[in-house]
Amino acid sequence: GDSVTQMEGPVTLSEEAFLTINCTYTATGYPSLFWYVQYPGEGLQLLLKATKADDKGSNKGFEATYRKETTSFHLEKGSVQVSDSAVYFCALSGEGGGNKLTFGTGTQLKVEL
Amino acid sequence: GAVVSQHPSWVICKSGTSVKIECRSLDFQATTMFWYRQFPKQSLMLMATSNEGSKATYEQGVEKDKFLINHASLTLSTLTVTSAHPEDSSFYICSALGLAGDEQYFGPGTRLTVT
Repeated sequence: GDSVTQMEGPVTLSEEAFLTINCTYTATGYPSLFWYVQYPGEGLQLLLKATKADDKGSNKGFEATYRKETTSFHLEKGSVQVSDSAVYFCALSGEGGGNKLTFGTGTQLKVEL
Repeated sequence: GAVVSQHPSWVICKSGTSVKIECRSLDFQATTMFWYRQFPKQSLMLMATSNEGSKATYEQGVEKDKFLINHASLTLSTLTVTSAHPEDSSFYICSALGLAGDEQYFGPGTRLTVT
C-alpha cells in the first residue's frame, strides 16, 4: 500500500538558517503530494501541494518539488523564522484514492533566536 | 474561511463508558468528512470516511461497532467511541473536504483519555 517516510525530528535551527525536511513516498501511479503544518494548539493546515511530476509547490517561503524519479517531495525554506516552529507532515493522496490521505510521522521544527 | 471545529477539545472518561466527539464545518458544507487517529510521535491514521446521509466507510482494522460515525447533516459528523478502554486513549482528528473536492480542512483535534 501507499506509504510516506519523513525524517525524524525534532529539528532545531537558528533563525535565518536553511531548512530541509526530507520526505519520500511509495505509491502506485501518480499520487498528489502535500505538506501540512500544525502549529501548537491548532489543526493541520495545508502548506503546499503538487499534483504531478516536476511540479513545485510553494507558500510562505517554503518550497517542495515533486520528484518522480526519486519518489521524493523534500520541504525547503531558505531562511526560517521563530514563527515557523511547528510540526510538519508530508502526505500523499493516491490515484483514485477518493481524497484519502496517507501521512508521514511528522517532523517537529524548533527555531531559536 | 474553511474552518472546522471539534468538541470537546479534550475529554476524560471511565473505562466502559461511551464518549461522543463532534466535528463541524463552520462556514461551508461538507458532504465528506474524515476521522483520523494519532498516536504520540506517529502519523495520522485514517479511521473512516464519513459521507452525509450514508454509512461511513471504515479502513481495514477499524472496528465499526466500536467507533460509530454519524454524518447527519452537511456541517456535522460525530464519532462515538463505545465501551471505551484505556487503549482507545488517543488524539482524534477530523477533517472536512472542501467544496472544490481537492482539499481537506482539519479540526484542532480531541484528546481522549480513558481511565
